[in-house]
Amino acid sequence: QVQLVQSGAEVKKPGASVKVSCKASGYTFTTYGFSWVRQAPGQGLEWMGWISGYNGNTNYAQKFQGRVTMTTDTSTSTAYMELRSLRSDDTAVYYCARQLWAAPLDYWGQGTLVTVSS
Amino acid sequence: QSVLTQPPSTSGTPGQRVTISCSGSSSNIGSNTVKWYQQLPGTAPKLLIYSNNQRPSGVPDRFSGSTSGTSASLAISGLQSEDEADYYCAAWDDSLNGYVFGTGTKVTVL
Repeated sequence: QVQLVQSGAEVKKPGASVKVSCKASGYTFTTYGFSWVRQAPGQGLEWMGWISGYNGNTNYAQKFQGRVTMTTDTSTSTAYMELRSLRSDDTAVYYCARQLWAAPLDYWGQGTLVTVSS
Repeated sequence: QSVLTQPPSTSGTPGQRVTISCSGSSSNIGSNTVKWYQQLPGTAPKLLIYSNNQRPSGVPDRFSGSTSGTSASLAISGLQSEDEADYYCAAWDDSLNGYVFGTGTKVTVL
């Protein structure tokens, strides 16, 4: 069965960076990509971008361009999302989700809470 | 900032039918298929509907989706207590070259 298991909660200071991992299992990693989606406390879902599991091509939401980097490691079937220059309004649960380009997000990780606080 | 607009909340009694609307534009719903996601309290979202009206395996047929022009709707018939959740529509947006979510609708079962 398809599973996406994310890394644990993080607490960061403003200006720092955070890197969240998403380990995939139960399917061939390179046949799908990943979207990253975040959800601030009590708020809705916000798409951050997409990365191909095949060749690492990326497509970032304009809001995050220059501040986010998405990568994959096919040897460990793991996707990563790094967000830099953290601000308090980056406090959110960050989700990875399996996705073919522009297709439905069909499996989701459990989410990783990132708290940004001085 | 969401580009797909949903009502903040709706409610119904067990067994009733409720519908949730999702309003977009020609660059998203008007030209790409709509997905719906269900988010139960404290959990990750789950794919409920894809390609406007298709249900993934395991999703009850009480859930149905439809589209018309630049709008979409999700209907829940025979409402059950376990349907109490937040529901989000989503679609690809050609102008933004990205995925957009709706503002979300909280369904309460009275």
